Amino acid sequence: DIQMTQSPSSLSASVGDRVTITCRASQAISNSLVWYQQKPGKLPKLLIYAASTLQSGVPSRFSGSGSGTDFTLTISSLQPEDVASYYCQKYNSAPFTFGPGTKVDIK
Amino acid sequence: QVQLQESGPGLVKPSGTLSLTCTVSGGSISSNNWWSWVRQPPGKGLEWIGEAHHSGSTTYSSSLKSRVTISVDKSKNQFSLKLSSVTAADTAVFYCARGTRYDFSTGYGIFDHWGQGTLVTVSS
Repeated sequence: DIQMTQSPSSLSASVGDRVTITCRASQAISNSLVWYQQKPGKLPKLLIYAASTLQSGVPSRFSGSGSGTDFTLTISSLQPEDVASYYCQKYNSAPFTFGPGTKVDIK
Repeated sequence: QVQLQESGPGLVKPSGTLSLTCTVSGGSISSNNWWSWVRQPPGKGLEWIGEAHHSGSTTYSSSLKSRVTISVDKSKNQFSLKLSSVTAADTAVFYCARGTRYDFSTGYGIFDHWGQGTLVTVSS
């Protein structure tokens, strides 16, 4: 099975900072990658699919890039409401493996 | 708007079978989607368990496939999860989710609708 890794596992940044999270697949998955945001005590929310396509209603400060094995999620200007854990997940084929998550806090 | 709601016992004894149902409203379970279960142990990350299609086809996680059964009941617009031989390590919030895709070359692994989640504790 393809394994997914993320870095960093956690980060703390100031409001307005640019934040970048990296996701890596153990084998190439084309652009079949999604990003989810999960706020504390809430269910996961789809942010981005096909590595870079923003789900409807998601603020434009979120963006995704990458293809093959290396992907990034960027928050261009961190806001207090962005405090959450972020998960990448592959979907080229089952099993649909998640990354271990990155916890984002405000400094 | 499609909504999903999990239901089932919140407490299961060790070695027993965990059984959950997800009721789909606002849409048909026979639509062009697959239906997945995802779990999240307290304080930990997300783990995909498996998926089912209204045709009866299923796919399971490699690590859980010997203990998992997912089925669809079209008449009730529901799908269900059974996880056997549970231990404390299976304690988690269990989510049901709708899987979709926008490209014929991929799996139905874009989870665009989720249930609220239900905590299942394995304890005697």
